[in-house]
Amino acid sequence: KAGVTQTPRYLIKTRGQQVTLSCSPISGHRSVSWYQQTPGQGLQFLFEYFSETQRNKGNFPGRFSGRQFSNSRSEMNVSTLELGDSALYLCASTVGQGAYEQYFGPGTRLTVT
Amino acid sequence: GESVGLHLPTLSVQEGDNSIINCAYSNSASDYFIWYKQESGKGPQFIIDIRSNMDKRQGQRVTVLLNKTVKHLSLQIAATQPGDSAVYFCAVLVSGTYKYIFGTGTRLKVLA
Repeated sequence: KAGVTQTPRYLIKTRGQQVTLSCSPISGHRSVSWYQQTPGQGLQFLFEYFSETQRNKGNFPGRFSGRQFSNSRSEMNVSTLELGDSALYLCASTVGQGAYEQYFGPGTRLTVT
Repeated sequence: GESVGLHLPTLSVQEGDNSIINCAYSNSASDYFIWYKQESGKGPQFIIDIRSNMDKRQGQRVTVLLNKTVKHLSLQIAATQPGDSAVYFCAVLVSGTYKYIFGTGTRLKVLA
C-alpha cells in the first residue's frame, strides 16, 4: 500500500506571495492532518480534515487554511507569506473513525525569502 | 491545554547497548500515544503506539512503557544499532479529538 505523498517536496517563495501544498493520504484513510515543523517550535498542529470538513484546528493565524476533497486528498494554503513561515510542512493521515494510528508523508520544505 | 515534554534533548549510547527515551505529558485524560522516529530530511516514521488501558507494549526491538500515575511514557530500544540514529518524538492524542501534541524530540546518537 502506498504511503502518504506530498507535493511539491521543495518550494521557494517570496514574502507576500501565497503557496498551496498538496497531500494524498494512504488509500482508505479519510482523515488528513497538517503540521508545521521548525527547529524552534518543533511539530505544531495546524488542522485536521475528515470527510471534507475541518474537525480540529490549531493555533495558527487565518493566513493558514486548508481543504479536503471527496477523494480525501487535501491541500493547505498559506497567504501573504512571512519569513517565519519557512518550515517543513508535514501531512499525516489516519483512517479517521475510531482508529488513531497516524502516518506521515515526507513533507514539503518551504523557504520564504 | 495539553503539553508534552521530553527529558533529554540528546542521548548518546554505545552500539549494542539499550536506549531509553522518556516523555512526560500533562493531561491525565490522554488515552493514546505514539512514538515516532525522524531521520534527517524525512517525515516522522511510526514506530509503536500504546493505549491507556495498557502499561507495556512490545514491538521488534522496541518497548513502550506507560505510567499513567505519573503521566510518563518511555521508549526502550534494545541492542541499539547505527540505523537507530535519529530524532525520536512522542505524540499524545488530545482526548476527544484527532489532534496530536508532540514532544520536542530526543536526538539519539549511536556511537560505534
